[in-house]
Amino acid sequence: GALVYQYPRRTICKSGTSMRMECQAVGFQATSVAWYRQSPQKTFELIALSTVNSAIKYEQNFTQEKFPISHPNLSFSSMTVLNAYLEDRGLYLCGAREGFGEQYFGPGTRLTVL
Amino acid sequence: TQTVSQSDAHVTVFEGDSVELRCNYSYGGSIYLSWYIQHHGRGLQFLLKYYSGNPVVQGVNGFEAEFSKSDSSFHLRKASVHWSDSAVYFCAATGYQNFYFGKGTSLTVIP
Repeated sequence: GALVYQYPRRTICKSGTSMRMECQAVGFQATSVAWYRQSPQKTFELIALSTVNSAIKYEQNFTQEKFPISHPNLSFSSMTVLNAYLEDRGLYLCGAREGFGEQYFGPGTRLTVL
Repeated sequence: TQTVSQSDAHVTVFEGDSVELRCNYSYGGSIYLSWYIQHHGRGLQFLLKYYSGNPVVQGVNGFEAEFSKSDSSFHLRKASVHWSDSAVYFCAATGYQNFYFGKGTSLTVIP
């Protein structure tokens, strides 16, 4: 079956430092990968959508300079939170899909910023 | 504008009651509609999805949802809830290049 793994599941970083999170698709080809952040208020915000052979599209309020994303092949994507501060804390979800197929979600990486 | 709307932020019922969590969508093309559950402090778990065919889809743990094109809705239902169903439920719509979450409905089941 199709699965999406994310690691680490939880991470703590000091304010002003950076941390990288990874997303791996198994059982299908992740032609597009979307990264989301769930705020403490529980709503999901789309950070960016990465589609193979297309430029990564960042949503308003999110930039490549702050959240650089790599999508080097059809099974892997990573995102880094640069210079993390308190407002960056939350659950970061990776959603991957093959073509116009169903989007599969990983369990998320929970980021705590001290 | 493509959106997913969950009109109820909080729903409280007693164990054994039936429940319906509402979801309405606005989208101009072909979409998947799905429901996810998130228990406190955890990630998302897939419940069910609809793309085409029978408008009533069955999911895990006794959940079902019914698609209505005329109402632009995809409401989630369960005939008899258990206290462990207490969680936040998210409705989502997947379009060609986009994916939209509703804001979630927090379900509290009183034992």
